[in-house]
Amino acid sequence: DGGITQSPKYLFRKEGQNVTLSCEQNLNHDAMYWYRQDPGQGLRLIYYSQIVNDFQKGDIAEGYSVSREKKESFPLTVTSAQKNPTAFYLCASSRWEEQFFGPGTRLTVL
Amino acid sequence: SQQGEEDPQALSIQEGENATMNCSYKTSINNLQWYRQNSGRGLVHLILIRSNEREKHSGRLRVTLDTSKKSSSLLITASRAADTASYFCATDHSGSSNTGKLIFGQGTTLQVKP
Repeated sequence: DGGITQSPKYLFRKEGQNVTLSCEQNLNHDAMYWYRQDPGQGLRLIYYSQIVNDFQKGDIAEGYSVSREKKESFPLTVTSAQKNPTAFYLCASSRWEEQFFGPGTRLTVL
Repeated sequence: SQQGEEDPQALSIQEGENATMNCSYKTSINNLQWYRQNSGRGLVHLILIRSNEREKHSGRLRVTLDTSKKSSSLLITASRAADTASYFCATDHSGSSNTGKLIFGQGTTLQVKP
């Protein structure tokens, strides 16, 4: 059963803590992406990776970090430097132009 | 910002009616894509139209692209209650570098009343 998974579905963080969001795909896609979605808004690109061991900043990378050690995995760390991290985070992957999305992680800062 | 703009922001129609939503963008594109998002879920790809295409169909969906006006429209015919969702256009401006990066619009929320 091919697809893209994200965990956890809900995540609560205290101010000053780093948290890591998981994204895994078994679609054999080279490219992976992280987006942030705020209520009533579109998606904004945080980071993307076109190949293992390489990644690029998107439009809103400040306060976030990523790694791409395996083709299947692209974890996102939300650091304490991110001033307003409460949002819905979406991971996607692609082989060509079409992107396939995971179900999302909703992060809330307490 | 290259972010696309969509209108209307919200649309409410009766089942069986057609729904049209529009997307505009600012700079040249490789392709334009439409995605659907049910509340609290991930996005699902609906249709892609390339910059050298003017119209595409997929089932009850019809997409048009006017590169001279930098705009696109998505038409959903004979709408159903299950079409209730948010619809986003996304544009690829990566040119020859083909990064696959997409710029998403803010979306149109469609409500189809049974």
